[in-house]
Amino acid sequence: AQRVTQPEKLLSVFKGAPVELKCNYSYSGSPELFWYVQYSRQRLQLLLRHISRESIKGFTADLNKGETSFHLKKPFAQEEDSAMYYCALSGRSFQKLVFGTGTRLLVSP
Amino acid sequence: EAGVTQSPTHLIKTRGQQATLRCSPISGHTSVYWYQQALGLGLQFLLWYDEGEERNRGNFPPRFSGRQFPNYSSELNVNALELEDSALYLCASTIVGAYEQYFGPGTRLTVT
Repeated sequence: AQRVTQPEKLLSVFKGAPVELKCNYSYSGSPELFWYVQYSRQRLQLLLRHISRESIKGFTADLNKGETSFHLKKPFAQEEDSAMYYCALSGRSFQKLVFGTGTRLLVSP
Repeated sequence: EAGVTQSPTHLIKTRGQQATLRCSPISGHTSVYWYQQALGLGLQFLLWYDEGEERNRGNFPPRFSGRQFPNYSSELNVNALELEDSALYLCASTIVGAYEQYFGPGTRLTVT
């Protein structure tokens, strides 16, 4: 079965500090991985997809198939990054999104 | 371009009643997904509709059902409501062949 694990419920950092939100997945096929973000009182938004290898709002994420990980990183956190972050997995054999439980990032001034 | 829309924003029902939630996908998107976001349980996949057909359903009882209309909008019906059905119900849409999904703002269902 497909599974996504986000081990941290809450990550609290100071402005300007580096951030790494962890995500590990379990899937025997070729994974499609995403990071979604939910800011306060806003809808769930797509932040990153692994296939595009882009940087959005300074965030990057690299798929490591050996470690089955897709950690989200940002070198210098900003207060506006405070939000709930969800890692999600999809694949050809199941055609839905399987979400992790989410990590709340809190960036303090 | 308009995003995914959902109605109503809030819905309050009593136990045993039926609830109907509606979703309009992004123009050009033919697939609609429904998810339940219950407190403490995270985002759980409910149903997937594509081209008017139910393609997949999650681990939910049959009283959760829905349909997709010819204009690709969708309806989620929950019969015989139970207190634990209280949750935020999210709709998402995508184009055929794509994996990334775009979400609506959700309908907050409260069962009393």
